[in-house]
Amino acid sequence: IAGITQAPTSQILAAGRRMTLRCTQDMRHNAMYWYRQDLGLGLRLIHYSNTAGTTGKGEVPDGYSVSRANTDDFPLTLASAVPSQTSVYFCASSDQGGDTQYFGPGTRLTVL
Amino acid sequence: GQQVMQIPQYQHVQEGEDFTTYCNSSTTLSNIQWYKQRPGGHPVFLIQLVKSGEVKKQKRLTFQFGEAKKNSSLHITATQTTDVGTYFCGNTGKLIFGQGTTLQVKP
Repeated sequence: IAGITQAPTSQILAAGRRMTLRCTQDMRHNAMYWYRQDLGLGLRLIHYSNTAGTTGKGEVPDGYSVSRANTDDFPLTLASAVPSQTSVYFCASSDQGGDTQYFGPGTRLTVL
Repeated sequence: GQQVMQIPQYQHVQEGEDFTTYCNSSTTLSNIQWYKQRPGGHPVFLIQLVKSGEVKKQKRLTFQFGEAKKNSSLHITATQTTDVGTYFCGNTGKLIFGQGTTLQVKP
């Protein structure tokens, strides 16, 4: 059982390019989340989904979009990347909203 | 907006010394969760506290939830190099985390 996986592991991206970060879980969890982690700022929620077909905005949603077409996948898209989106991105899932969260290994993204 | 603050942001200790990190919320929380992130790794769930005044222990780690359910603490007794990492508190119901306390342990 893989748990929760993210791809790519790391990426260097030119500003203005479009990028999709992938997240897949095999735990049949209903809820999924995207966070970004920056030094000194901890984990900040970008978007979340309490169940397939629904999404919600977190603390820092601007410049990002998500979709939840099925239970397992929760991709995060940067439509036009900017240097301030350089960060480590973590996907997480939980059985239900509010439950213990299980985090993926993260994607380190650098936007130049 | 609702915030969860953690102090200190960084702590360096000598191996064998004790360590405490504090988590403070601007509002009452239904529960508090603690996660540990090793350097280069991802956050991993440690424990959840639900009841006012609750105290839970995991070996050398002691977790406490305040009477008013607005603050919490994590205390590590006799730190070891394996305790190195960043400790986050948070409430997953409200999807908020503190900024974390990074612990360095000198052998």
